[in-house]
Amino acid sequence: AQSVTQLGSHVSVSEGALVLLRCNYSSSVPPYLFWYVQYPNQGLQLLLKYTTGATLVKGINGFEAEFKKSETSFHLTKPSAHMSDAAEYFCAVRSSGGYQKVTFGTGTKLQVIP
Amino acid sequence: KAGVTQTPRYLIKTRGQQVTLSCSPISGHRSVSWYQQTPGQGLQFLFEYFSETQRNKGNFPGRFSGRQFSNSRSEMNVSTLELGDSALYLCASSPGQGTADTQYFGPGTRLTVL
Repeated sequence: AQSVTQLGSHVSVSEGALVLLRCNYSSSVPPYLFWYVQYPNQGLQLLLKYTTGATLVKGINGFEAEFKKSETSFHLTKPSAHMSDAAEYFCAVRSSGGYQKVTFGTGTKLQVIP
Repeated sequence: KAGVTQTPRYLIKTRGQQVTLSCSPISGHRSVSWYQQTPGQGLQFLFEYFSETQRNKGNFPGRFSGRQFSNSRSEMNVSTLELGDSALYLCASSPGQGTADTQYFGPGTRLTVL
């Protein structure tokens, strides 16, 4: 079984401040982990993903995430928030092996305050 | 390459009616997944198809069905619509059957049931 928990349904940061969105996962086998962003009235767009190898993953728009197996976490960070980062962010997990479905977290809405 | 397209973008139906939504994946992609997104339940997996075969199915009633054609285009059907079926329905395509593959999302079909 697999699951993902996103802590904080709403996060507010000031423009220029650090963005930290938290994601913890559960998977009985090595997981594949994803972060997606959704802007209003649009579909989801992949920010970054972890499959194997380097645990620090860099994505688009200056975002990165670190896979920490011991903490079962995959938190998303960005050093300096821009107004354009205001959106909803989803963490997702898919167990490796077999034909497992993708399980999404409940999402975190990021507000950027000017 | 053109992205994932979904038609129609908006749909209004009344209770008891049925509806068919269409998804055209990115050219060359053979896997299509469907999700239901609502404010209360978040992103819920409906089903996944690969090469015309349903590979995974979520926990939805039998009123929800889907299929995939030989050109990888997919349709989902909801019969006997209920008010609770009002949602954004998202389609995502990926190249193959690899569980590490990135899913590319369409803009969604907004279904309103009156």
